Amino acid sequence: EVQLVESGGDLVQSGGSLRLSCAASGFTFSTQWMHWVRQAPGKGLVWVSRIAPGGTTTWYADSVKGRFTISRDDAKNTFYLQMNSLRHEDTAVYYCAKEHPTPKIRVLENWGQGTLVTISS
Amino acid sequence: EIVLTQSPGTLSLSPGERATLSCRASQSVTSIYLGWYQQKPGQAPRLLIYGASNRASGIPDRFSGSGSGTDFTLTISRLEPEDFAVYYCQQYNSSWTFGQGTKVEIK
Repeated sequence: EVQLVESGGDLVQSGGSLRLSCAASGFTFSTQWMHWVRQAPGKGLVWVSRIAPGGTTTWYADSVKGRFTISRDDAKNTFYLQMNSLRHEDTAVYYCAKEHPTPKIRVLENWGQGTLVTISS
Repeated sequence: EIVLTQSPGTLSLSPGERATLSCRASQSVTSIYLGWYQQKPGQAPRLLIYGASNRASGIPDRFSGSGSGTDFTLTISRLEPEDFAVYYCQQYNSSWTFGQGTKVEIK
């Protein structure tokens, strides 16, 4: 069974930094594309970032480019989201997700339970 | 960036009724890149449909997806009590975007 468990959410001051982790199990982590998606309180889903197998290729939403960095440690079956220069508008539940394994089916097949990041002004 | 607009914002229906949810894209979307998700309060989203019309693993056959180009539809043939939730469409075209969601509530 695929399991994704996020951790690292916290209350942080504006301008601060935070690193989120997502521990994966139940599948061959090293071969899968992984994502972060966020959801502000009472709002919809917003895609944040994606990382390819091997970690050499990454993608970011314009709203976080230059501030957030996605990375992975295949030996630990874990990937990360380093968040710097945090703003109030980054307040959200952050979900990690696994992309569908079929090539070109770019949907998010499995999701973690989410971790809450709150940025105080 | 492709913008997805879902309608209606809220759908008020009774159990057993048919639900029809719309997702309209600002530009043409390749069908294989279109998905639908269900989210219940306090829970993570769950993938329902991929490739516009393919049910994900374990999804009941009362859920179906259709459409192409800029117009896509999620249909729930007969609403069960557990189907009352928020539904999101999502597309990929060099980046991933979601619609703003349709809430299906009990009438």
